[in-house]
Amino acid sequence: KAGVTQTPRYLIKTRGQQVTLSCSPISGHRSVSWYQQTPGQGLQFLFEYFSETQRNKGNFPGRFSGRQFSNSRSEMNVSTLELGDSALYLCASSLWRSTDTQYFGPGTRLTVL
Amino acid sequence: DQQVKQNSPSLSVQEGRISILNCDYTNSMFDYFLWYKKYPAEGPTFLISISSIKDKNEDGRFTVFLNKSAKHLSLHIVPSQPGDSAVYFCAASGGTDKLIFGTGTRLQVFP
Repeated sequence: KAGVTQTPRYLIKTRGQQVTLSCSPISGHRSVSWYQQTPGQGLQFLFEYFSETQRNKGNFPGRFSGRQFSNSRSEMNVSTLELGDSALYLCASSLWRSTDTQYFGPGTRLTVL
Repeated sequence: DQQVKQNSPSLSVQEGRISILNCDYTNSMFDYFLWYKKYPAEGPTFLISISSIKDKNEDGRFTVFLNKSAKHLSLHIVPSQPGDSAVYFCAASGGTDKLIFGTGTRLQVFP
């Protein structure tokens, strides 16, 4: 069974731009969660999608948004990029809930200049 | 407000010895705990979990201990191997449908 895939793997943007990251979950997994990883902060929960609906949201500003498609693929968007948005963005899929065992993709490394 | 804390950012252990990674939590609603391992350029992978109804769970060389009264859990790796060198994250859930991760501990196992 194919694992979680994320595209692109690396991205360089400048302040003020916007970016869209993509995640394809494991086949059959309905829950997709997004995390931001920065040095010293661990994995910070962004949001979780299930059946095309946002089911949970972390403490991030509205510049961070996401969506899920009918095939469970998910995208996250960050608008008006700031230097502090530079991070590794990880997507994880699980069968039903984000508290089930999650399977992570390799991440997208975003650098904001 | 860091509800899950890993106070040791790094740990260095000799091959063959025991590695002990610690994790503290503050939210008494947490009832399920997991450990993930992360290699560079890869996403975290699930290692082992424990429910709050147990105080110990073993899987091969990996054992997780839970002390609910102290709100503390630990991961023991015996014997440690060079391939165990990675960043280890503990995570907790309960009360809400979110998984809360700690900041990670980088384990280095040297020969």
